[in-house]
Amino acid sequence: NAGVMQNPRHLVRRRGQEARLRCSPMKGHSHVYWYRQLPEEGLKFMVYLQKENIIDESGMPKERFSAEFPKEGPSILRIQQVVRGDSAAYFCASSPPGQGLLNTQYFGPGTRLTVL
Amino acid sequence: AQRVTQPEKLLSVFKGAPVELKCNYSYSGSPELFWYVQYSRQRLQLLLRHISRESIKGFTADLNKGETSFHLKKPFAQEEDSAMYYCALRAGGTSYGKLTFGQGTILTVHP
Repeated sequence: NAGVMQNPRHLVRRRGQEARLRCSPMKGHSHVYWYRQLPEEGLKFMVYLQKENIIDESGMPKERFSAEFPKEGPSILRIQQVVRGDSAAYFCASSPPGQGLLNTQYFGPGTRLTVL
Repeated sequence: AQRVTQPEKLLSVFKGAPVELKCNYSYSGSPELFWYVQYSRQRLQLLLRHISRESIKGFTADLNKGETSFHLKKPFAQEEDSAMYYCALRAGGTSYGKLTFGQGTILTVHP
């Protein structure tokens, strides 16, 4: 099992451009979480998705940010019209559909977004 | 709303010395607590969780509801323990759901 995959690992965008971050969960995992880590801060929850459904988006900024987890393919975190404050490391985690001890979140390596 | 506090940003000890990484939380319900570790150039990985009551790599952590703490301890630190450690909380009553992380503590174990 290759683990949670994220690409690209590094992404540079100019202000006003769009950023698309991809996350492929571990095989058999149907739950995906996105977290953001700003410089000098801990990871902060953004959104929790299951296949084709957004379950909890309480951590998502109200504008410019969106996320999806289609039936086929990776989960996508999309940031429109990026600003310098969006520069951060974005981590994806996935978990299986079990409960209790089975429900461990496994993290990807992260995508480091730099906005010039 | 839940909150996790790791008061020490940096912690240095010598090899063989005991180490304790502090974690305090605030949450009105019954939480589930975790410790995650990130070694240099590796991804974040689960170290232990309080419901497992297990010891991983010699580390233990006890949930103290009275003091709302979940400190991570190891009696004899090793150089390979040098890493970033994050304490995290998940709201009780849900098997799924977001993790709330502390800001992390960088542990350095000197030879």
